[in-house]
Amino acid sequence: EVQLVESGGGLVKPGSSLKLSCVASGFTFSSYGMHWIRQAPKKGLEWIALIYYDSSNKYYADSVKGRFTISRDNSKNTLYLEMNSLRSEDTAMYYCAKRQPFDYWGQGVMVTVSS
Amino acid sequence: DIVMTQGALPNPVPSGESASITCQSSKSLLHSNGKTYLNWYLQRPGQSPQLLIYWMSTRASGVSDRFSGSGSGTDFTLKISSVEAEDVGVYYCQQFLEYPLTFGSGTKLEIK
Repeated sequence: EVQLVESGGGLVKPGSSLKLSCVASGFTFSSYGMHWIRQAPKKGLEWIALIYYDSSNKYYADSVKGRFTISRDNSKNTLYLEMNSLRSEDTAMYYCAKRQPFDYWGQGVMVTVSS
Repeated sequence: DIVMTQGALPNPVPSGESASITCQSSKSLLHSNGKTYLNWYLQRPGQSPQLLIYWMSTRASGVSDRFSGSGSGTDFTLKISSVEAEDVGVYYCQQFLEYPLTFGSGTKLEIK
């Protein structure tokens, strides 16, 4: 059974940093591109980052480019999202998702940026 | 960026009736390879989104055949025949022709 489990969220102050993790199981993690998608409270879905299966390519939404970094450790079946210079508008539920189309999603982890 | 615009439903939809959700893209999603780069997802209340349809009209594994996708290069429809209580939620279209990947704003389905 495919499982994606996010962790690392929480309440942080504007300007601070946070690192999210997504542990994958039930499939060959090293064979698939992985994505981060977020959803602000009561809002729609926003794709924010992709990393290729071998980390050879990364893509970002303009809203996070230069502040967020996607990475992965295939030996640990883990996807990461390092978030710096956090802003109030980064407050959202963050989901990791397997490949495109997004056929599996994690349960999400909440990040709240507030003073 | 490609903008995805979704229409609203005349909620609530009576149980057993059909419902059609529209989605329009600001750029044709029809690739030269003949495929249309459009997906549909359903987010039930309190849950993560789930994939319903990919390549505009291919149902994902385990998805009921009551769901069907159709369209042209810029105008798309997700049809739900005979809606049921479990269909309640927000439906999103998403393009994957180019980055950044973009979603529509969502269409809420309520059942009567």
